[in-house]
Amino acid sequence: DTEVTQTPKHLVMGMTNKKSLKCEQHMGHRAMYWYKQKAKKPPELMFVYSYEKLSINESVPSRFSPECPNSSLLNLHLHALQPEDSALYLCASSPGPGELFFGEGSRLTVL
Amino acid sequence: GESVGLHLPTLSVQEGDNSIINCAYSNSASDYFIWYKQESGKGPQFIIDIRSNMDKRQGQRVTVLLNKTVKHLSLQIAATQPGDSAVYFCAESISGGYNKLIFGAGTRLAVHP
Repeated sequence: DTEVTQTPKHLVMGMTNKKSLKCEQHMGHRAMYWYKQKAKKPPELMFVYSYEKLSINESVPSRFSPECPNSSLLNLHLHALQPEDSALYLCASSPGPGELFFGEGSRLTVL
Repeated sequence: GESVGLHLPTLSVQEGDNSIINCAYSNSASDYFIWYKQESGKGPQFIIDIRSNMDKRQGQRVTVLLNKTVKHLSLQIAATQPGDSAVYFCAESISGGYNKLIFGAGTRLAVHP
């Protein structure tokens, strides 16, 4: 199994809603990542988890709250988002330094 | 700030021609570089990587060249095919840290029959 699986693929939410994005990998990778990608832009790093602990937070607003329940799962909890937060949210994992394996992304629309 | 960038936002080639996508980086401490391909509606897909102790690395139909003197990276695709049409990103990181991979701006490759 060499996949990173993200759910849901599409999410529409209002600014007062609370929702979560989920990511799962079964490759035994110890590092997991959240990236945000706006249209026609490169992915921008948000968070890095290493051995289930948050190691990098790229000054992301607190309305985005990551969680790593175990080594295979990574969540991104969303609350009080703004329309400008609409984007493709990409999860990735890696065995260590080197290549990141990306999921297909969750496309978020905030109304 | 330090960044990774590309010279051309769009590259159009004829099917069968060779393609060259360029990337400039500014962080001299970066020692690991990756090229990713991203098709519409999909996540980035690994193409090839190179470490700073190498100048060239070849894969299947792809070659990455690294020029540390001028901080330049290029991706060469031989015999470009319609399936190669996508956005290509270079990315850089520094070994020894938490694998903080930073992406460049991207180049769209359009392959015409």
